[in-house]
Amino acid sequence: GAGVSQSPRYKVAKRGQDVALRCDPISGHVSLFWYQQALGQGPEFLTYFQNEAQLDKSGLPSDRFFAERPEGSVSTLKIQRTQQEDSAVYLCASSLELPYEQYFGPGTRLTVT
Amino acid sequence: SQQGEEDPQALSIQEGENATMNCSYKTSINNLQWYRQNSGRGLVHLILIRSNEREKHSGRLRVTLDTSKKSSSLLITASRAADTASYFCATDANSGYALNFGKGTSLLVTP
Repeated sequence: GAGVSQSPRYKVAKRGQDVALRCDPISGHVSLFWYQQALGQGPEFLTYFQNEAQLDKSGLPSDRFFAERPEGSVSTLKIQRTQQEDSAVYLCASSLELPYEQYFGPGTRLTVT
Repeated sequence: SQQGEEDPQALSIQEGENATMNCSYKTSINNLQWYRQNSGRGLVHLILIRSNEREKHSGRLRVTLDTSKKSSSLLITASRAADTASYFCATDANSGYALNFGKGTSLLVTP
């Protein structure tokens, strides 16, 4: 079946703009994760959903970052008033159940100018 | 913060040779996973090894886990140019669900 998809694949935003990144997990996957990957680094955890409930948002770097998954499937990561340090690849992953493997989407590369 | 640390940071070998990458971590884990990332396909799951397992095989991949030393190794046998990628280990330390990645090992396999 289809894997995890993310859109857009690339996003250029001017500093101060708001952006919304979308994730479509694998159908039926209960768990959904967002990670941020800076250039030359490994991904870092941002937030975790189980169905529609956001169980952990401890990795969100500031209150400008907001994530939702209102119907327990598609998720959106929103970044308000983007800053240059927000430039990174944002990865979404889903998992059927824990603690099994997480399946990653291709990521959205965000560049803030 | 990064939980796992891969070693070496970069590795260059010729096709047909074996590649070994190591990973060390700091706290207790339930399982450890290895992922591959290249620009074309994003992060791809390779293998998961549980804390009560010592060795696991999948095709040309062999993973070992030593929980007493808090370390793991990934061996790729008979490497191919298509194996060129970055390899990351990830643990579920601290939360049991969020993956903690290292900085990765960049592998270059030349024909």
